[in-house]
Amino acid sequence: GESVGLHLPTLSVQEGDNSIINCAYSNSASDYFIWYKQESGKGPQFIIDIRSNMDKRQGQRVTVLLNKTVKHLSLQIAATQPGDSAVYFCAEGGYQAGTALIFGKGTTLSVSS
Amino acid sequence: DTGVSQDPRHKITKRGQNVTFRCDPISEHNRLYWYRQTLGQGPEFLTYFQNEAQLEKSRLLSDRFSAERPKGSFSTLEIQRTEQGDSAMYLCASSLSGLASGANVLTFGAGSRLTVL
Repeated sequence: GESVGLHLPTLSVQEGDNSIINCAYSNSASDYFIWYKQESGKGPQFIIDIRSNMDKRQGQRVTVLLNKTVKHLSLQIAATQPGDSAVYFCAEGGYQAGTALIFGKGTTLSVSS
Repeated sequence: DTGVSQDPRHKITKRGQNVTFRCDPISEHNRLYWYRQTLGQGPEFLTYFQNEAQLEKSRLLSDRFSAERPKGSFSTLEIQRTEQGDSAMYLCASSLSGLASGANVLTFGAGSRLTVL
């Protein structure tokens, strides 16, 4: 079946650096993408989303980039902080569709002081 | 409303026993989802409800698994004759669907961790 995957299972950065987490998706019919953050012992927490009619969306310290040509999604975190340490998942699906979001395997971000 | 609540948070059981998990979604959300997550993996979709109707089931949902949402509010996920391979975190999520609701953002609970001995 089709699934969402991530390029790197782990990413280690220094506090204050910018982090980039990448994701490749395969379902060209997906028109909605979300990044979730999951801390140990907790459920996934929404970070930022983007629809397929956009190629960039910015939030507070986070930016999501979408490249539909190569089916690539990235999450950029500015001035990474120790509290950003977590597992990050991208998910794809329909903006208003009656189907569930499909998740990738996740990237573990470790931020050292 | 404090978000999506799941109970119990942890369950340890012996192989062959039945277990049931409960999920209370955000009150105004009409969609409810169950996912399963094993260590180091992303959440895997199991099933979802719109109100009380179960609209989609993954092939991961074997005959030993059953989910209900009888009144369109809380939901239960029952696993019969548990196996060691059922050990996982069971996540519940809810969302508000409809043309006026905007994006299909899922809000997750903290999960119910199952350990089958």
